[in-house]
Amino acid sequence: EIVLTQSPGTLSLSPGERATLSCRASQSVNSIYLAWYQFKPGQAPRLLIYGASSRATGIPDRFSASGSGTDFTLTIARLEPEDFAVYHCQQYGSSPLTFGGGTKVEIK
Amino acid sequence: QVQLVESGGGVVQPGRSLRLSCAASGFTFSSYVMHWVRQVPGKGLEWVADIWHDGSNIYYADSVKGRFTISRDNSKKTLYLQMNSLRDEDTAVYYCARDPTSPVVNWYFDLWGRGTLVTVSS
Repeated sequence: EIVLTQSPGTLSLSPGERATLSCRASQSVNSIYLAWYQFKPGQAPRLLIYGASSRATGIPDRFSASGSGTDFTLTIARLEPEDFAVYHCQQYGSSPLTFGGGTKVEIK
Repeated sequence: QVQLVESGGGVVQPGRSLRLSCAASGFTFSSYVMHWVRQVPGKGLEWVADIWHDGSNIYYADSVKGRFTISRDNSKKTLYLQMNSLRDEDTAVYYCARDPTSPVVNWYFDLWGRGTLVTVSS
């Protein structure tokens, strides 16, 4: 199975700063089959990105993503207070689908 | 309001059974593939099972195959997960999630519930 490793484990930033999250795969992922999710305690997780770079409905354009092969990146251009959360990547190009361990973006 | 609401979680002894439910509202439930995904507290996420819009195809993760059964009642707009022979390692938050494009399976999830906690402990 494809193992997804996310880094860093925790990112400490201030509102307004740029966040860059990495998701690295143990083998090549079909680039259109990578998604990113936002998790907040007590809330339903939210799909941010699918197809490696397509924003889901209602996702603000400060969220962007890129990558191919084994290296993928989620970028939050300017952190808003509501963006502090845990972010998981997921590949769905190979069975079984797998998730990364997550990056926590916390307020510095 | 478009949402999924899970219920049925709780504390259960190893070897016992539990049934989770997921009530859908605000969309045409019968048109979508639905999934269960779980997250061990503080750890990673694991896809558990999925069921096609009409129940015609069902898939399970190897870790739950033979013990868990996914089903749906489209008339009630409800998804179920029957969990038998529970083990300590099944302790997790269980989420139901919607596959985004009806009725094709995409294997990612555009709508999630808030989850229900299952604790397997003696």
